[in-house]
Amino acid sequence: GEKVEQHESTLSVREGDSAVINCTYTDTASSYFPWYKQEAGKSLHFVIDIRSNVDRKQSQRLTVLLDKKAKRFSLHITATQPEDSAIYFCAASPNTGYQNFYFGKGTSLTVIP
Amino acid sequence: GPKVLQIPSHQIIDMGQMVTLNCDPVSNHLYFYWYKQILGQQMEFLVNFYNGKVMEKSKLFKDQFSVERPDGSYFTLKIQPTALEDSAVYFCASSWGGEQYFGPGTRLTVL
Repeated sequence: GEKVEQHESTLSVREGDSAVINCTYTDTASSYFPWYKQEAGKSLHFVIDIRSNVDRKQSQRLTVLLDKKAKRFSLHITATQPEDSAIYFCAASPNTGYQNFYFGKGTSLTVIP
Repeated sequence: GPKVLQIPSHQIIDMGQMVTLNCDPVSNHLYFYWYKQILGQQMEFLVNFYNGKVMEKSKLFKDQFSVERPDGSYFTLKIQPTALEDSAVYFCASSWGGEQYFGPGTRLTVL
């Protein structure tokens, strides 16, 4: 089955700097890659996603890059703010319609004011 | 935005008892999922459910686990009997086939 590795378990940046979280996956059939944010004691909230038909997607301060050859995708957050502090989970999903998500272990991002 | 509700938020039970976790998914969604998260660690897929059937389940979905959604009501996860290792936060999610919306989770403690 699919295995998603999330390389940074913790990440600290200063407010205003950029943060990058990297993930790799194993299953070439994976075609949908969402990112979720989890604040302490709360549920997951969708942040951004990318499908395999593109290699870049941007939404305001967030950009996702996808390298299908390397089976790697990354989340880039620019101009970080303290409220960006949370655990970020990457996930990969095959294009099977019912799309099980296989999550990475999460990256705890701390933005230092 | 769309909300997934989960009842109860916390459940404490003795090992060997049965427990049912309830999920009220987003109303027009077709796909339903259960995930397990231990101590804020990795979220692990348990099972998905579509058109009244389990489509796929992981190795974590033991024989003691079952899911159903009778008559379009709650989507439930039943564990019978429970074991100590079932202690975790269980998240329900639903989708129309794309982005999944997650509920707030049920924290299950098995004593």
